[in-house]
Amino acid sequence: AQSVTQLDSHVSVSEGTPVLLRCNYSSSYSPSLFWYVQHPNKGLQLLLKYTSAATLVKGINGFEAEFKKSETSFHLTKPSAHMSDAAEYFCVVSAGGYNKLIFGAGTRLAVHP
Amino acid sequence: EAQVTQNPRYLITVTGKKLTVTCSQNMNHEYMSWYRQDPGLGLRQIYYSMNVEVTDKGDVPEGYKVSRKEKRNFPLILESPSPNQTSLYFCASSLHLAGVVEQYFGPGTRLTVT
Repeated sequence: AQSVTQLDSHVSVSEGTPVLLRCNYSSSYSPSLFWYVQHPNKGLQLLLKYTSAATLVKGINGFEAEFKKSETSFHLTKPSAHMSDAAEYFCVVSAGGYNKLIFGAGTRLAVHP
Repeated sequence: EAQVTQNPRYLITVTGKKLTVTCSQNMNHEYMSWYRQDPGLGLRQIYYSMNVEVTDKGDVPEGYKVSRKEKRNFPLILESPSPNQTSLYFCASSLHLAGVVEQYFGPGTRLTVT
């Protein structure tokens, strides 16, 4: 069975400092992994996706994630936080079948001036 | 513009009063799905559809119905809403392909059942 664990429910950083949002997954298959972002009162937007090609995946707005099979992790990073990055972030695994997505519980990122 | 639309965006209703939340996509996607989002639980799948007239239960289908009579539309029906269905609902669509496929999400419908 597939599952996703986001290790922090809240992360707070200062503007200009690095961001690290942690995600571990469990999958019986070779997984497909995603990070989605949800800004307040908005829908979900895809940040990046891992497709079994390069293990370091670059996404929009300067975010990156690295797939580490040995650690079953897919952590999201950004070198320098911006105020506009404040949002909720979801780590998602594709559950082996064609389109089913399994969501983590979410990490709320706060960015302080 | 490629998009998924949902209506209404906000709805307050009373227990037992049937309601429908509409979902429409203009990308000719085969796959459509409904999720509910609750604090601390992320998004959980309610129902999905792989194509016209093909629907199946997700992880939390109790109390919900869906239909897929046209490719672009996938309404969510609550025959007798209850307070535990108070939630934020998202519709999503994607191509129906094996492998990695991005899902496109609607803006959400915030439902309150009193």
